[in-house]
Amino acid sequence: NAGVTQTPKFRVLKTGQSMTLLCAQDMNHEYMYWYRQDPGMGLRLIHYSVGEGTTAKGEVPDGYNVSRLKKQNFLLGLESAAPSQTSVYFCASSPPGPQRDTQYFGPGTRLTVL
Amino acid sequence: GQQLNQSPQSMFIQEGEDVSMNCTSSSIFNTWLWYKQEPGEGPVLLIALYKAGELTSNGRLTAQFGITRKDSFLNISASIPSDVGIYFCAGHFGNEKLTFGTGTRLTIIP
Repeated sequence: NAGVTQTPKFRVLKTGQSMTLLCAQDMNHEYMYWYRQDPGMGLRLIHYSVGEGTTAKGEVPDGYNVSRLKKQNFLLGLESAAPSQTSVYFCASSPPGPQRDTQYFGPGTRLTVL
Repeated sequence: GQQLNQSPQSMFIQEGEDVSMNCTSSSIFNTWLWYKQEPGEGPVLLIALYKAGELTSNGRLTAQFGITRKDSFLNISASIPSDVGIYFCAGHFGNEKLTFGTGTRLTIIP
């Protein structure tokens, strides 16, 4: 069981470039989430998904898009990167039912936008 | 939205000491979670609490779901160097998404 994995671990982009972050989980979890973590601001929810083929906006969705084509994968896209999107991005997943709020996190992707 | 106040923001303690930290919410929660994050890693779930008054242990860690449902506490007994990291509380109620505290940074002095 690898749990939640994220690729890549590090990435440097120039302003205006695009990229996709991949999250994969092997725990058969229904729910998946993308967060960003910035110094002094804690974890903020970008987008989330309650099942394959569904996505919803979180607290800070602007500038990001997501897709959940397969249950085990959740992709986060940046169409035109901006320096304000420099951050550490974490993916998480959780099971259905009464423990659906018990989220398990990946190791993170550190993104720098120049 | 809901707000979580986590305190203290940072702690400097000597190895072997006990540690206490807490989170308070502006509204009630029905789930409290405690996570630990080490540098360069994602948060790791330590303890999950689902009922008011619940007291749960995980090794040297003990967490409690406050009776008022607006607070939670995490205690670490006999701290060791590997306890260093940032500890986050998180809470949830109803259809709201999980709300995270801003973390308590624990530093252990040998």
